[in-house]
Amino acid sequence: GAVVSQHPSWVICKSGTSVKIECRSLDFQATTMFWYRQFPKQSLMLMATSNEGSKATYEQGVEKDKFLINHASLTLSTLTVTSAHPEDSSFYICSASQLAGQETQYFGPGTRLLVL
Amino acid sequence: QKEVEQNSGPLSVPEGAIASLNCTYSDRGSQSFFWYRQYSGKSPELIMSIYSNGDKEDGRFTAQLNKASQYVSLLIRDSQPSDSATYLCAVRPGGYNKLIFGAGTRLAVHP
Repeated sequence: GAVVSQHPSWVICKSGTSVKIECRSLDFQATTMFWYRQFPKQSLMLMATSNEGSKATYEQGVEKDKFLINHASLTLSTLTVTSAHPEDSSFYICSASQLAGQETQYFGPGTRLLVL
Repeated sequence: QKEVEQNSGPLSVPEGAIASLNCTYSDRGSQSFFWYRQYSGKSPELIMSIYSNGDKEDGRFTAQLNKASQYVSLLIRDSQPSDSATYLCAVRPGGYNKLIFGAGTRLAVHP
C-alpha cells in the first residue's frame, strides 16, 4: 500500500516553456501532498505543501507564481514550472500523506527536469 | 529556524557489521521522527518512524529516540552492500504539518 506515482519521470524542455508534473496517490486518499526539489548531492528542499481544495503553502524563497501547484482531488496534485530556465533543472519529488492523523510521507519516484 | 543535523559521511562499514547513523534536531517540541533511505538517483523510501523515547526494531533496523537529548539514531545490523545509500533523518517540528530533513548520511558497505 501507500504508492505514489509521478509523471513524467523525465522531461527535457527549452528555456521559457512551461512544464507540468503530476503526482498521484494510487491506493489511498491524500489530504496533503508535498513538493520537494533536490539538486545533485544536496538534501531535499521542501517547496510547498498542498492541501486538497485549498491554496498551496509555499516555503520562504519559493516563487508561487513560478511554481504553480494545484491539488484538485484527494489523489492528484500538479506542479507547473512556468517559464522554465536552466537553473530550474533539478529532481522534483512529491510526497503524500494519508488522511488526517497519518503524518508519514510516502514519496513518488521523482521527475528529472532538464531545461536547455 | 528548525534544523536537523546529520554527519554527511561517508560512513564506511564492512559487510556484516553494525552501521550506526545519528541525527540531532533543534526543535524540542518535535514529536515525530522518520528515517528514509535514498539510493543514488532515486527518491526516498521510508524505513521506519518513531514517536516515543526508546528503541523500535523492524527487522535489521533499530531506531532509537532520546527526546531529552534531541537525538535520534538508526542502527543497521548485519549490514549488506545493498544497504549502501544515503540515509535521511526527518523530523516533524511541533505545530508543523511538514517534515524537516537532514542533509543525509552516505553509508558505504564494503564486501
